[in-house]
Amino acid sequence: EVQLVESGGGLIQTGGTLRLSCAASGFTVSTTYMNWVRQAPGKGLEWVSVIYSGGTTYYADSVKGRFTISRDNSKNTLYLQMNSLRAEDTAVYYCARRFGETWGQGTLVTVSS
Amino acid sequence: EIVLTQSPGTLSLSPGERATLSCRASQSVSSSYLAWYQQKPGQAPRLLIYDASNRATGISDRFSGSGSGTDFTLTISRLEPEDFAVYYCQQYGSSPWTFGQGTKVEIK
Repeated sequence: EVQLVESGGGLIQTGGTLRLSCAASGFTVSTTYMNWVRQAPGKGLEWVSVIYSGGTTYYADSVKGRFTISRDNSKNTLYLQMNSLRAEDTAVYYCARRFGETWGQGTLVTVSS
Repeated sequence: EIVLTQSPGTLSLSPGERATLSCRASQSVSSSYLAWYQQKPGQAPRLLIYDASNRATGISDRFSGSGSGTDFTLTISRLEPEDFAVYYCQQYGSSPWTFGQGTKVEIK
């Protein structure tokens, strides 16, 4: 069974750093493309970042230069390194396989001063 | 960036009725790379339709997608109680991928 499990969210101060993890099972992360999508409280969905099987990455303008997507093939895990966090980064962060075939349950990141 | 505009914002219908949701793109969506998702409170989105008209695995045939270019439609033929939720369209043909703002289907 294909499954994604996010972790690493929590309460962090403005300007702080957090790393989210997305553990995959039932498929190999390195053979496909993986995304991070976020959803602010009571708002819609916002695409954040993608990493392709060859390692190419793309970011939304709102996080470019602050967030880094990566993966650990040995652990079959996707990551999102988030630096210089802002209040507007507060959201549930989901990892998703390919364009959205499978989603994790999400992890809440709250950025507060 | 491709902007997706969904209409209506809210659809009030009764179980058994037909629901028609629209998603209009600000420019043509490459290769009809358009998906529809259902989201219920406290849950992750669930893929319903991909590539504009293909039903995802396990999705009821009450759900159908159509359209190309800039105009896309999700149709729910007969609403069941579990279908009342928020629906999002998403284009994944051009970076950055973008989502519509959502259509809420509520019980009338």
